[in-house]
Amino acid sequence: DVKVTQSSRYLVKRTGEKVFLECVQDMDHENMFWYRQDPGLGLRLIYFSYDVKMKEKGDIPEGYSVSREKKERFSLILESASTNQTSMYLCASSLVGQRPSTDTQYFGPGTRLTVL
Amino acid sequence: AQSVTQLGSHVSVSEGALVLLRCNYSSSVPPYLFWYVQYPNQGLQLLLKYTSAATLVKGINGFEAEFKKSETSFHLTKPSAHMSDAAEYFCAVRKDNNNDMRFGAGTRLTVKP
Repeated sequence: DVKVTQSSRYLVKRTGEKVFLECVQDMDHENMFWYRQDPGLGLRLIYFSYDVKMKEKGDIPEGYSVSREKKERFSLILESASTNQTSMYLCASSLVGQRPSTDTQYFGPGTRLTVL
Repeated sequence: AQSVTQLGSHVSVSEGALVLLRCNYSSSVPPYLFWYVQYPNQGLQLLLKYTSAATLVKGINGFEAEFKKSETSFHLTKPSAHMSDAAEYFCAVRKDNNNDMRFGAGTRLTVKP
């Protein structure tokens, strides 16, 4: 079974702190994604990566950065956390096949971040 | 741009009743459509996906969805609801040759005994 793990289930940080959210997948997937989930808004893509050291902006990259130094690990960084970044953060990964459109994304359990 | 709209943020059914969760998409090209389920305190899990092979797609846990191009819809159904179906359901669309996915706002399903 594909396993996607996230470093923390719950995290509380203060405004202005630098925050690291870590995601690790164990199935040698090329693609990795970071989403945030907010009530009534569904999931919104922050960043994704299709290879080591490669990254693409999603719909809401402002205030975030990412790092992918190894294939299995994709980190989301909040350079200076703000209260409007309080949310559930979900990591996902997928394998690149002949038809990228049909690739299934596998999700981690999520990290609920609260910024005070 | 690809997008999906889920009609109804909350749906409540009785145990044993039909489940119908609505999803409409907007796409200028043939879409690839997905339904995911999120149980409490868990990540998302794939229920089923439409890949143009067949318009009626069967998924896990007795769910199925029918792609209707004329209605730009991909509604999720289950003939008989079970208490364990209580969860949040997300419809999603991905454009071909694109790594990213667009999710709907989600529909929370409640199943009453």
